[in-house]
Amino acid sequence: GQQVMQIPQYQHVQEGEDFTTYCNSSTTLSNIQWYKQRPGGHPVFLIQLVKSGEVKKQKRLTFQFGEAKKNSSLHITATQTTDVGTYFCAGRGGGTYKYIFGTGTRLKVLA
Amino acid sequence: EPEVTQTPSHQVTQMGQEVILRCVPISNHLYFYWYRQILGQKVEFLVSFYNNEISEKSEIFDDQFSVERPDGSNFTLKIRSTKLEDSAMYFCASSEKGPISGNTIYFGEGSWLTVV
Repeated sequence: GQQVMQIPQYQHVQEGEDFTTYCNSSTTLSNIQWYKQRPGGHPVFLIQLVKSGEVKKQKRLTFQFGEAKKNSSLHITATQTTDVGTYFCAGRGGGTYKYIFGTGTRLKVLA
Repeated sequence: EPEVTQTPSHQVTQMGQEVILRCVPISNHLYFYWYRQILGQKVEFLVSFYNNEISEKSEIFDDQFSVERPDGSNFTLKIRSTKLEDSAMYFCASSEKGPISGNTIYFGEGSWLTVV
């Protein structure tokens, strides 16, 4: 079945440093979504990417969907302590309702 | 901002007992989902529900699980005979549009189920 992996599993950065998490699917995706989950919290939708090669920005966050629609990345510029949490990608294959969540990248930001 | 609400927030149950987790999706949403997350692990899809029927389910969603929309507002997940490995956070979610149209999925705060 479809698998979605993320690297790294954990990342500790100093406040102000950049952070990137990478998401790789075993199959081609129709679209991909990104979520943030604070410790003890629930997933919060960040963004959806649909088109091959698509790049979207939200303030300090940049999301990219690969040309082959099998991978994606989330880059945070100049991290802040409020960025702490686990970032999940969730990919959906064609003809299905379900999103397969990635393994997540847990970000810690050191002040 | 509208939100998905879930009850209970935490439930402890004996193995073999039935559990019903309740959710009130966002009022104008048409698509409903249950996901679960075992402590420290990733979020796993259980089931999606649209137009009063299951539209898709995962291999986790076996005969022990069922979903229902008993009235116009509630969406429930029933686990018929709980097992220890059912201990997890169960998230209800809803979306206005379906995945084909490009849907933003809103998650509830979750119901933490502990089976002892």
